[in-house]
Amino acid sequence: EDQVTQSPEALRLQEGESSSLNCSYTVSGLRGLFWYRQDPGKGPEFLFTLYSAGEEKEKERLKATLTKKESFLHITAPKPEDSATYLCAVHVSTGGGNKLTFGTGTQLKVEL
Amino acid sequence: GAVVSQHPSRVICKSGTSVKIECRSLDFQATTMFWYRQFPKQSLMLMATSNEGSKATYEQGVEKDKFLINHASLTLSTLTVTSAHPEDSSFYICSAKGGWNEQFFGPGTRLTVL
Repeated sequence: EDQVTQSPEALRLQEGESSSLNCSYTVSGLRGLFWYRQDPGKGPEFLFTLYSAGEEKEKERLKATLTKKESFLHITAPKPEDSATYLCAVHVSTGGGNKLTFGTGTQLKVEL
Repeated sequence: GAVVSQHPSRVICKSGTSVKIECRSLDFQATTMFWYRQFPKQSLMLMATSNEGSKATYEQGVEKDKFLINHASLTLSTLTVTSAHPEDSSFYICSAKGGWNEQFFGPGTRLTVL
C-alpha cells in the first residue's frame, strides 16, 4: 500500500532560523511528488513538482529536493508569513489513476 | 494562471436540505476535477474523481447517492450534498488537474449543517 509520511507534525521556528521538513514515501512507481502550502481555512496552494531523484526546485525562501525514498522542503531564513501547513503528495503509476496521496502535513509556525 | 474558484465559500443549512457547491477552473480547461473533504487538523481526504462527460469515480466509503457530482463542462464541476446532516459538516475543497498531473485547488467551502 502506498504511504506518505511527513515529519515533524509541527515545527516552531524563530524568524531567520532555517530548517527542513521531511516527506518520506513508500510507493510503487512514483510519477511525481508535489508540495503544497495550506493556510487555515483555505485550499492548498501549489508550490513544486519533483519527478526524479536528484531534482531540486526553488522558490524564494523554499527549496524542494527529492531522493528515491524522501523529499525535503528546506526553508531558509523563514519569516512569519511562511507560517502555514505544508503538505506533500505523491502521484503513482499503478492503479491510482490521476489521484494524489497526501501526507498529513507539517504545521509550521515562524515567530518574531 | 491555473486559478480555481469555488462557490459558495461558506454555507449554513438545516438538516435534511441539499446543498450545491460549484467548482470552476477560470483560466484553463480541466477534464478531471477532484473533490476532497477536510476535517479540522487533518489532511485532505479524496471523495471522488470527476471526469468531464462521464460518471464520477467515488472512493471507498463515500456514498455516491449522497454526494452527487456533475462535471458537465471542461470548466465546471458541482458537488451536491443531499439530505445533509450535522455529520456532513466539513470543509469541502475541489481541485482541477493540470497538464503535468499537478492539482490546483479551489479556496474551499465551509459547510455547516444545523
